[in-house]
Amino acid sequence: GAVVSQHPSRVICKSGTSVKIECRSLDFQATTMFWYRQFPKKSLMLMATSNEGSKATYEQGVEKDKFLINHASLTLSTLTVTSAHPEDSSFYICSADRETFGSGTRLTVV
Amino acid sequence: AQSVSQHNHHVILSEAASLELGCNYSYGGTVNLFWYVQYPGQHLQLLLKYFSGDPLVKGIKGFEAEFIKSKFSFNLRKPSVQWSDTAEYFCAVGSNDYKLSFGAGTTVTVRA
Repeated sequence: GAVVSQHPSRVICKSGTSVKIECRSLDFQATTMFWYRQFPKKSLMLMATSNEGSKATYEQGVEKDKFLINHASLTLSTLTVTSAHPEDSSFYICSADRETFGSGTRLTVV
Repeated sequence: AQSVSQHNHHVILSEAASLELGCNYSYGGTVNLFWYVQYPGQHLQLLLKYFSGDPLVKGIKGFEAEFIKSKFSFNLRKPSVQWSDTAEYFCAVGSNDYKLSFGAGTTVTVRA
């Protein structure tokens, strides 16, 4: 079946730095990628939808300038957390559709 | 806006016991309902889904769910759990644009 490869699985960064998370669709083309954030003991919250070749659409309350999303090709979507702060520490998951999810990235900002 | 409520935060049971996880939703449009499982250290996997038709849906690993429109519910069931069913379970409602709204999740711990 379809597979989305997400990297890195874990990352620790210092406050003020930026972190890039990549999601690649393997063996299929993903024109759309959904990015979710999962807080501890909480549900997954949709952050934004990336669309190949066009601007991402962000959910209400999500800072566009902090969470930069790029979908430059049909097989790669990236989420960059800019100027990261400890409150950005979370588990980030990408999804190509409602059945294909990346393995997630645990971000810890220290 | 759609929302999903999962009643149980943590369920602990013994092997061979029956499992039922509650899920209620609110959504004004056509309902697409999902149950996902997340095993420790692994990615989300689809257990089953309901779009239309038979309200009793059978999924993988012996799970099933029943859509009850009048109760806005989509409860997940398994007659006899195994230790390997220990995981986090998420109910979700999907809209026509493929976005998902998830419930808070239920941690299921199965004791051998």
